[in-house]
Amino acid sequence: EVQLVESGGGLVQPGRSLRLSCAASGFTFDDYAMHWVRQAPGKGLEWVSGISWNSGSIGYADSVKGRFTISRDNAKNSLYLQMNSLRAEDTALYYCAAGGYSLSDAFDIWGQGTMVTVSS
Amino acid sequence: NFMLTQPHSVSESPGKTVTISCTGSSGSIASNYVQWYQQRPGSAPTTVIYEDNQRPSGVPDRFSGSIDSSSNSASLTISGLKTEDEADYYCQSYDSSNPHVVFGGGTKLTVL
Repeated sequence: EVQLVESGGGLVQPGRSLRLSCAASGFTFDDYAMHWVRQAPGKGLEWVSGISWNSGSIGYADSVKGRFTISRDNAKNSLYLQMNSLRAEDTALYYCAAGGYSLSDAFDIWGQGTMVTVSS
Repeated sequence: NFMLTQPHSVSESPGKTVTISCTGSSGSIASNYVQWYQQRPGSAPTTVIYEDNQRPSGVPDRFSGSIDSSSNSASLTISGLKTEDEADYYCQSYDSSNPHVVFGGGTKLTVL
C-alpha cells in the first residue's frame, strides 16, 4: 500500500523547536520530490517547503525561510522538517506530500498530517 | 511573488455544471502546469487534475481542466454535479523565479 505517515507534531511553546518526520512506504521514495504543506485551522493549503529527489533543489515559503530546514534520507525512505523559532502562526496541520522528480511536479501522494500547535 | 486567486465559494444544483477559476497574478499561467486538488472535510487533499487537463486514474471524466492564456487563468469544470462533489478545491502551480510551489486560496463548492 502506498503510504506517507507523518509524526512529531504536538504542543510547543513559542520560540522552541520541533522536528517532523514522514515515513514513506509502498513506492520508490527516491523517484519523488517531497514537500511539506500546512493547513491552519479553517484555512487553505500553504506550501511550506520542498526537496527534489536527490536533494539538489530545495525551496521554502517566505514565511518559514531561515527558520525551517527540510531534509530527506533516501536510504530510510524518510522526509524531515526541522522547525526552529516557532511562532503562533505556525500552528497548523502539516502534510507530507510526494510529487514527481522535480519541485514543479504535481503532488501524487499525501499523508494524513500531523498537528503542530504553538502556544504558551 | 506569483499568486493564484480563486473565488471563495461557488454553488450549483445537482446535475448542473460548475466552473471554478484560478487566475495568475503575473507572468503567464501557461509557463508551468496547473493542478487541481479536492479536499473533503477532515480528509487530506487528492488530485483531480494534473498538468492542466490530465485526470488521474479513478477520477471521473465529469472533471476537466483548461488553461486560458488570454485571461491568464486556469479553470476546473465539473459536469453532472453530484452531492459527493461538495468539497474545497485548490489550484496549484509553480513559480520558476524562485523554487516556490503556489496554491490558490481554495474554493468551497456547495452542491444543493
